[in-house]
Amino acid sequence: AQSVTQPDIHITVSEGASLELRCNYSYGATPYLFWYVQSPGQGLQLLLKYFSGDTLVQGIKGFEAEFKRSQSSFNLRKPSVHWSDAAEYFCAVGAGDYKLSFGAGTTVTVRA
Amino acid sequence: DAGVTQSPTHLIKTRGQQVTLRCSPKSGHDTVSWYQQALGQGPQFIFQYYEEEERQRGNFPDRFSGHQFPNYSSELNVNALLLGDSALYLCASSALTGSETQYFGPGTRLLVL
Repeated sequence: AQSVTQPDIHITVSEGASLELRCNYSYGATPYLFWYVQSPGQGLQLLLKYFSGDTLVQGIKGFEAEFKRSQSSFNLRKPSVHWSDAAEYFCAVGAGDYKLSFGAGTTVTVRA
Repeated sequence: DAGVTQSPTHLIKTRGQQVTLRCSPKSGHDTVSWYQQALGQGPQFIFQYYEEEERQRGNFPDRFSGHQFPNYSSELNVNALLLGDSALYLCASSALTGSETQYFGPGTRLLVL
């Protein structure tokens, strides 16, 4: 069965600084990988996804993620964060069975 | 183009009661999945419906059941509510043919007292 680990529970970053959120997955084959963002009291919004091909994927809101098979990682990055990026971020893995397994999430706080 | 919609937005029930949550998928999607998100945790897969049948089920008891209608909308039913059922219930839709991508609704917040 597939699983996801997000090692960082909470990250605080200054506005304008770069952001990197870590995600490690466990799955025997090449997974489908996703990053979602959740604002307080809201549902999940898809930021980006990786299925195959180029290992660096671009998403919405200036986010990108890199798939590294050797490290079983799919880290999310943003070069310069905005106050509106404060939210909870979830990494998820799919294994071809249309079920998504989510990590526990990373809460991002942006300080002025 | 309407996205995934869910109703109601909030619900308060007492232990032992039954609840029904509703979901309308994104236009063009034929598959609906339900997830439970407890406070401070990631969503947990409950089950998925396609062609009005349950295709997959996560590790949830039989108290959790569902239904999908011919127009692809779906209901989640929970019987004999427990305090631990308090959570945000998320519905996600996808197109079964060729896409793993699931799009989520805003969720229904259920509080069991």
